[in-house]
Amino acid sequence: EAAVTQSPRNKVTVTGGNVTLSCRQTNSHNYMYWYRQDTGHGLRLIHYSYGAGNLQIGDVPDGYKATRTTQEDFFLLLELASPSQTSLYFCASSVGNTLYFGEGSRLIVV
Amino acid sequence: GQQVQQSPASLVLQEGENAELQCNFSSTATRLQWFYQRPGGSLVSLLYNPSGTKHTGRLTSTTVTKERRSSLHISSSQTTDSGTYFCAIYNTNTGKLTFGDGTVLTVKP
Repeated sequence: EAAVTQSPRNKVTVTGGNVTLSCRQTNSHNYMYWYRQDTGHGLRLIHYSYGAGNLQIGDVPDGYKATRTTQEDFFLLLELASPSQTSLYFCASSVGNTLYFGEGSRLIVV
Repeated sequence: GQQVQQSPASLVLQEGENAELQCNFSSTATRLQWFYQRPGGSLVSLLYNPSGTKHTGRLTSTTVTKERRSSLHISSSQTTDSGTYFCAIYNTNTGKLTFGDGTVLTVKP
């Protein structure tokens, strides 16, 4: 089965800090997604990509950058972290109708 | 943008009762999936159901694309079914996958 691995699993940073969340998938899936999950909001799409070098804007992109360096790797970048970005972040990959999620990265911005 | 509305927001059942979860979505250029998230955990895909009726185990999903709605029926609920259920729509034009806010299901013994 395809694996999606996120790192770090937990991160605490200060306001204004620089954070990179990493996601790697092992099956060369075309699509990769970054979501944030907050209580009462379900999962909200930040950025997504359909291949190396491609980036598509999601529904809540403000304050986030992303880069798809290879077919396997998708990074989420917070260059000036704010407390409002405290959240649980999920990465997912998909091919066809099958979607695989990572275990999540919990970020706290103090 | 795409809208996905789920109801009810929460549901409490006694073990053995059936659950009915609803999902309404704004676009027909979509494929619909149901996901499950265990408390504090990641998400897993339950059913891919762009149209018609699909079954897996105790789960039945019915999607009526023209009416932009889908349902997930859980029969004979068990305490291990507790968690959050999401529907999500995949837009075939943009590749965007949009989730609803979920239904929190609690099954009591």
